[in-house]
Amino acid sequence: DVKVTQSSRYLVKRTGEKVFLECVQDMDHENMFWYRQDPGLGLRLIYFSYDVKMKEKGDIPEGYSVSREKKERFSLILESASTNQTSMYLCASSLEGIFYGYTFGSGTRLTVV
Amino acid sequence: GNSVTQMEGPVTLSEEAFLTINCTYTATGYPSLFWYVQYPGEGLQLLLKATKADDKGSNKGFEATYRKETTSFHLEKGSVQVSDSAVYFCALKMDSNYQLIWGAGTKLIIKP
Repeated sequence: DVKVTQSSRYLVKRTGEKVFLECVQDMDHENMFWYRQDPGLGLRLIYFSYDVKMKEKGDIPEGYSVSREKKERFSLILESASTNQTSMYLCASSLEGIFYGYTFGSGTRLTVV
Repeated sequence: GNSVTQMEGPVTLSEEAFLTINCTYTATGYPSLFWYVQYPGEGLQLLLKATKADDKGSNKGFEATYRKETTSFHLEKGSVQVSDSAVYFCALKMDSNYQLIWGAGTKLIIKP
């Protein structure tokens, strides 16, 4: 089975800190995604990547950046964490093509204090 | 544009009841359709999918049929269990881009 691993399940950071959320997949998927999930707001796409060193903005990229130096790893960076970035962060990966869904990690619940 | 509409929740049922969660879509073309499930505190898991009209996806007693004429992909289960309590997401994917387009999610609560 494809596995997507997010480095932390729970994280508490201070306002203004630079925060790194790591995501690794082990099945050679081309595409990787970062979402945040908040009550009542559903899933919102932050960034995605369709190849190494490639990145595309999603719906809510402000305050975030990403890095994909290797195919298996996609990092989400909060440049200067703020309390409104407290959320559940979900990483996903997929093969390219219409027939393939996403495989998700277990999520990182980030609290910014 | 392309979109997915799900019935609003929460949906509350008793154990062994019949479940239907409605999902309709708008798409320019022929998407693939997916149902995902999210248990409390977890990421999303693919539940089932269908990639062309009249296909039926099934898994763990859940079923959904891709109905092109009604642009629907309703999720059904004949007899729900307390362990089915979760949030269910319907989604579509077009061949024109990489992304899944998501419904808002429907929370299902099963009471013993």
